[in-house]
Amino acid sequence: TAGITQAPTSQILAAGRSMTLRCTQDMRHNAMYWYRQDLGLGLRLIHYSNTAGTTGKGEVPDGYSVSRANTDDFPLTLASAVPSQTSVYFCASSDTADNEQFFGPGTRLTVL
Amino acid sequence: GQNIDQPTEMTATEGAIVQINCTYQTSGFNGLFWYQQHAGEAPTFLSYNVLDGLEEKGRFSSFLSRSKGYSYLLLKELQMKDSASYLCAVMDSNYQLIWGAGTKLIIKP
Repeated sequence: TAGITQAPTSQILAAGRSMTLRCTQDMRHNAMYWYRQDLGLGLRLIHYSNTAGTTGKGEVPDGYSVSRANTDDFPLTLASAVPSQTSVYFCASSDTADNEQFFGPGTRLTVL
Repeated sequence: GQNIDQPTEMTATEGAIVQINCTYQTSGFNGLFWYQQHAGEAPTFLSYNVLDGLEEKGRFSSFLSRSKGYSYLLLKELQMKDSASYLCAVMDSNYQLIWGAGTKLIIKP
């Protein structure tokens, strides 16, 4: 099984442009998450979804939006990118909110 | 505020034992997780502790003391492939994971 996939692998984006990072899982997990990972910092939660049709804000939600139209997909959108959004973005999923999380391979985003 | 502390970097010798410590202060506690992350890759799950004591899984063991807000990950018979970052994360009262910055473990032959 593929598990959890992310696209693109990497991207260079001009400041002010919009972009959607894609995330798909085939494990039928209820919960999905978006994190960003920056050097010297722990993973920080951007948004999460405990089940299809619901979403919630994490620690650093500003400048990002998500949707959860179905169980498998959880796209993350940057409406107007800024250089501080340069980071590695990881999507993760878990069977339920209190179980171990499985991570996608990450998207390396550079905003210039 | 919520805080997870772990050493930034540790060095150990192949075949030896290393202990990576993690202390935490969080709003509630619903378990502590350890993940391994090789450079340029995604984190992968290693262990989960919710009750006090030691959980052993092959060469890796994880210990938890909730009263002290303390955990450690013990790696035995170190192999070169164990060179990675080890991430400590605590699940808070909202069932969200709070992550430490990670400990980079360097294994020398």
